[in-house]
Amino acid sequence: DAGITQSPRYKITETGRQVTLMCHQTWSHSYMFWYRQDLGHGLRLIYYSAAADITDKGEVPDGYVVSRSKTENFPLTLESATRSQTSVYFCASSKQGSEPQHFGDGTRLSIL
Amino acid sequence: GENVEQHPSTLSVQEGDSAVIKCTYSDSASNYFPWYKQELGKRPQLIIDIRSNVGEKKDQRIAVTLNKTAKHFSLHITETQPEDSAVYFCAASSGFKTIFGAGTRLFVKA
Repeated sequence: DAGITQSPRYKITETGRQVTLMCHQTWSHSYMFWYRQDLGHGLRLIYYSAAADITDKGEVPDGYVVSRSKTENFPLTLESATRSQTSVYFCASSKQGSEPQHFGDGTRLSIL
Repeated sequence: GENVEQHPSTLSVQEGDSAVIKCTYSDSASNYFPWYKQELGKRPQLIIDIRSNVGEKKDQRIAVTLNKTAKHFSLHITETQPEDSAVYFCAASSGFKTIFGAGTRLFVKA
């Protein structure tokens, strides 16, 4: 869906560096989510946000930081990247909590 | 913590046959159960969903059933076609969190 965009699409960085993945949606959806997708694990929830300035941890939050100062943006930051954070990251949004989620195209992140 | 188990992890069927994917969930507060299809290199996309006050829902060749007592829900695809080949994810949502199953890779052989 063109209404949710992620950037960058691909990123290579080194261990210890700070990395920020961007997510922007144009639907004014209340909820936004960050997932990581690894082979054999499906989609694992990192953080979610129910509204601007409201965020909460998901299944695998360690090593990640999020913020949501505006409804349309939900950046994900890896403060000190580790090799175990190499993954494909998907951002998603929904009108409310128990509603269909719309996913971005994903960011493929490699940490060397 | 809450989890969703999905089986099988891989499923191979002949074109025209039916495919069934099963999931179980642990969080009794879950009230919304979507299914997503993900083609290779693409984003997950919703194909069907069901809420806890409904036992079954159908959309053309796709149907989903829910057994709240047993905490089971299943996806049924009839008359499978090669374009149905993809990874399918079930999920359980309690309003704030959505937990996904590990996925089922479906192969439909022509």
